[in-house]
Amino acid sequence: DTAVSQTPKYLVTQMGNDKSIKCEQNLGHDTMYWYKQDSKKFLKIMFSYNNKELIINETVPNRFSPKSPDKAHLNLHINSLELGDSAVYFCASRLAGVSDTQYFGPGTRLTVL
Amino acid sequence: GQQVMQIPQYQHVQEGEDFTTYCNSSTTLSNIQWYKQRPGGHPVFLIQLVKSGEVKKQKRLTFQFGEAKKNSSLHITATQTTDVGTYFCAGSGPKGSGNTGKLIFGQGTTLQVKP
Repeated sequence: DTAVSQTPKYLVTQMGNDKSIKCEQNLGHDTMYWYKQDSKKFLKIMFSYNNKELIINETVPNRFSPKSPDKAHLNLHINSLELGDSAVYFCASRLAGVSDTQYFGPGTRLTVL
Repeated sequence: GQQVMQIPQYQHVQEGEDFTTYCNSSTTLSNIQWYKQRPGGHPVFLIQLVKSGEVKKQKRLTFQFGEAKKNSSLHITATQTTDVGTYFCAGSGPKGSGNTGKLIFGQGTTLQVKP
């Protein structure tokens, strides 16, 4: 069973479109994160939710909107996609108060044409 | 804001040679973690260092945390082709109320090993 899963694995779309990426974890964790990894492999935190509450909101364009329907799911919706949004997006989770270790999903490679 | 610098960005070694990557933070860290990302894969947790001056070993990998808790290193002895990948350090800021578990990642060191 996959601990942290993301769908889709690959996403190719045109500029201006709206798309969503989904993340689910079955580890019983209460904190989830979205990271963006650019072509130079730099990993940058975007958002974090703890028990459905937004706790980290880095300087990210407001075209990006995270949603956490429950503590096992964290989705990322992106409006009006731009070329610069092309990257690999990773979801991660951890159990707050127990460990700082983060468990990453397999990633979603987004390509904007 | 807090920054974590990691060097070198790339390292090419012959199989059997040693490899070291270094990490420096602009601020004191509560702990530092190391992750490995294989080509096409996702970051996978390797280890966490918490105490000042701590040294931990995992087989051929040796991890150190500086006395001031602002720097760290990962040393691999006698590299193998299975060591190929990008190694990231990730620092966690001082503990306190409202700890979000936010990690600041270094830029990563990509290791290539020639057989």
